[in-house]
This record gives sequence, structure tokens and C-alpha cells, in this order.
Amino acid sequence: GENVEQHPSTLSVQEGDSAVIKCTYSDSASNYFPWYKQELGKRPQLIIDIRSNVGEKKDQRIAVTLNKTAKHFSLHITETQPEDSAVYFCAARKTSYDKVIFGPGTSLSVIP
Amino acid sequence: GAVVSQHPSRVICKSGTSVKIECRSLDFQATTMFWYRQFPKKSLMLMATSNEGSKATYEQGVEKDKFLINHASLTLSTLTVTSAHPEDSSFYICSARGQADLSSNEQFFGPGTRLTVL
Repeated sequence: GENVEQHPSTLSVQEGDSAVIKCTYSDSASNYFPWYKQELGKRPQLIIDIRSNVGEKKDQRIAVTLNKTAKHFSLHITETQPEDSAVYFCAARKTSYDKVIFGPGTSLSVIP
Repeated sequence: GAVVSQHPSRVICKSGTSVKIECRSLDFQATTMFWYRQFPKKSLMLMATSNEGSKATYEQGVEKDKFLINHASLTLSTLTVTSAHPEDSSFYICSARGQADLSSNEQFFGPGTRLTVL
């Protein structure tokens, strides 16, 4: 089955700097890659997603890149703010009917 | 986006009792619901997938007789933890996806239920 790995497990950045989280997946049939932000004790919130027919997608300070050949995808957060501090999960899924497989998560701390 | 609720938000029970957690889609019909378990500082682990009107599909290693899942209507799924023990203490999160959401690929998460078994 699909296996999603994520690095780093923890990340600390100064406010205003950029943060990059990288993920790899194992199943080449996966074609949908969402990213979730989870604050302590809260539900995961979808922040951005990308499909396999697109190499990059951007939404304000957040961008995601996908390299299907290498089975890598990354989350980029620019101009980080303290409220960006949370755990971020990457995920992968094959078809719309399949389950989403989550990566292990990255705990991001933005230091004011 | 669509709204998914969970009840209760927190529950504390004695070892050996059973606990039922409800997951409701408030403004859409959820043809598929997913139940996850999350330990502190860990990722979401899928326990089972349930489609309305049919038996749930459990992930490997999840005991179906211990974690009973019912998805009897398009807006409600329940997870019952039977004969709960301290090791069942965890954060349980459901998510729901409706037929109309297939094109958008998104599934919507409930707020989670914190279960503590004494």
C-alpha cells in the first residue's frame, strides 16, 4: 500500500523566514496530494492541495510543488508568522474513492 | 466548506465500559465516512472506512469487534469502543465525504473526541 514519509519532523524558523516541508510517497498511482494544518487539540484543516497534472500551486504565502517522477512533493510557507505554528501533515490518495494516507507530520514553530 | 460535528468532544470512562462517538455531516450527505485515531504528537491513523448502508472496511490491525462502526444514514456514523481499556485512550477523529465532493477530492474533518479510559 501507499507509504508517505515527511521531513523534517520538527522545524523552527524566525518570524518572516520561509519554511519548507518535504514529503515522498511510494505509490506511483497516487494523484492527489493535500496538505493539512492541525493546531493542538483541533481538527486538521486543509490548507492547500495539488493534483498530479499540475507541478506547482500557490495560494498567497503558501505554495506546493510536485515532482511525479521522483514522487516528491513539498510545502513552502513564505513570510512565516507566529500563527503559522502548528503541525503540518502531507497526504496522498489515488482515486477519489480511495482513502487518504497521511505522513507522520512536521511540528512547525515560528519564533517571534 | 461543509460542516462535520462530533459528539462528545471529551469523554472519560472506566475500564470495561463501552463508549459511543457520533459523527454527523450537518449540511451535506456523507456517502463515505472515515474514522481516525491519533495519539499525542503522532499522525492520523485510519481505522476504518464506512459507506452508508454497508459494512465498514477496517484497516489491518484494527479489531472490528472492539471498534464497532455503524453508518446507517447519510448524515450519521457512530464508532463504539467496546470494553474500553486505558490503551484505547486517544483522540478519535472522523471525516466525511459526499458524492458531490468527489470532483473536489476533499474530505471534511470533525473536531475530534478525546477519550480517556481510567
